[in-house]
Amino acid sequence: QVQLQQSGPGLVKPSQTLSLTCAISGDSVSSKSAAWNWIRQSPSRGLEWLGRTYYRSKWYNDYAVSVKSRITINPDTSKNQFSLQLNSVTPEDTAVYYCARDNPAFTSSSRFDYWGQGTLVTVSS
Amino acid sequence: DIQMTQSPSSLSASVGDRVTITCRASQSISTYLNWYQQKPGKAPNLLIYAASSLQSGVPSRFSGSGSGTDFTLTISSLQPEDFAVYYCQQSYSTPQTFGQGTRLAIK
Repeated sequence: QVQLQQSGPGLVKPSQTLSLTCAISGDSVSSKSAAWNWIRQSPSRGLEWLGRTYYRSKWYNDYAVSVKSRITINPDTSKNQFSLQLNSVTPEDTAVYYCARDNPAFTSSSRFDYWGQGTLVTVSS
Repeated sequence: DIQMTQSPSSLSASVGDRVTITCRASQSISTYLNWYQQKPGKAPNLLIYAASSLQSGVPSRFSGSGSGTDFTLTISSLQPEDFAVYYCQQSYSTPQTFGQGTRLAIK
């Protein structure tokens, strides 16, 4: 059974960096069929896909245009986890952040089949 | 980006009712369409993938249909635990986008 366990602070000051980690059990961050995603949810923006990392003989990343200049998603194979960093946050980045597995990614059956528990991140001084 | 539009935004129904929720894509997405259920304080839970395939462990009263731009999620006989918010999501192109949600409430 795949499980995704999120960790990270729930309060970030404006202009600082939001950092979250998603620990994977029951699968590998280096899976050649999965992609590992970050998605956020807020009342104003709904469910918003932010980006993903995946391994296909080498590591790839894709990011949403809306955050592309501020976001980094990194895999950590030694700990079987992946992370989200979002720089220069503003109150508009306040949301519940989720990690999620897409498997099998890049196929007609692509879907987010496992999700982390969610982390409410509030951007406030 | 592909826009996903759900209708209705909310509806009220009774236990035992048959309910249909519609999702429309702004361009053709073949059958690259998934449905999720979300309850308060929880992550979305996958119900249907590839427009009509039932995710393992999901009750058979849930079904999906459609292709191209128009899709439906049907709950054949509502159960008390089905009152929640439902989202569609397209996986046809990046960025993967979600509908705005349909809130299903008890009448």
